[in-house]
Amino acid sequence: NAGVTQTPKFQVLKTGQSMTLQCAQDMNHEYMSWYRQDPGMGLRLIHYSVGAGITDQGEVPNGYNVSRSTTEDFPLRLLSAAPSQTSVYFCASSDVYGTKNYGYTFGSGTRLTVV
Amino acid sequence: AQTVTQSQPEMSVQEAETVTLSCTYDTSESDYYLFWYKQPPSRQMILVIRQEAYKQQNATENRFSVNFQKAAKSFSLKISDSQLGDAAMYFCAYRSYVAGGGADGLTFGKGTHLIIQP
Repeated sequence: NAGVTQTPKFQVLKTGQSMTLQCAQDMNHEYMSWYRQDPGMGLRLIHYSVGAGITDQGEVPNGYNVSRSTTEDFPLRLLSAAPSQTSVYFCASSDVYGTKNYGYTFGSGTRLTVV
Repeated sequence: AQTVTQSQPEMSVQEAETVTLSCTYDTSESDYYLFWYKQPPSRQMILVIRQEAYKQQNATENRFSVNFQKAAKSFSLKISDSQLGDAAMYFCAYRSYVAGGGADGLTFGKGTHLIIQP
């Protein structure tokens, strides 16, 4: 049971480049979400999904796109990277309300640097 | 929108002693969940404890317990018998009751850096 897997772990991009951060979970969780962590800011929600085909914006969605074509995968796309998107990105998944594990399980994160 | 405030940027405690980390939140919702996450230097986010707002009983997980005061919108974490491995950033987080129509995802505080003195 791998849990939540994020790839890559580290990435350097040039300003204006696009890329996709991958996130996959093998726990059959309905809920998934993406966060960014900046120094002194805690974690902030970018986008979330409550099931395949359903996504919505979080607190800081600008510059990012998501899709959820399967239960397992929830990729995050940076359309045109900017230095302000330099951050550590976390993907997380959760079981549905009422279950024992109704709490988000996090991946190990991706450190992204935009130069 | 909900907000979560952790007023202690850093706390220090002697090994084997007890420490309490503070968290307050603001919401107009009546049903929600609260969590404490631990982030060691490895940066992995680890769920420490959770509390359902409809439960009056405070959650406990081994040496970790919470003091949940719903009316005061307060959710503190107590760590008993502190160990060197407890040293980490601790984040308080809020989650709406999605089945009741709320938006999903977690709202985090800015964290408290816990130092354990040997």
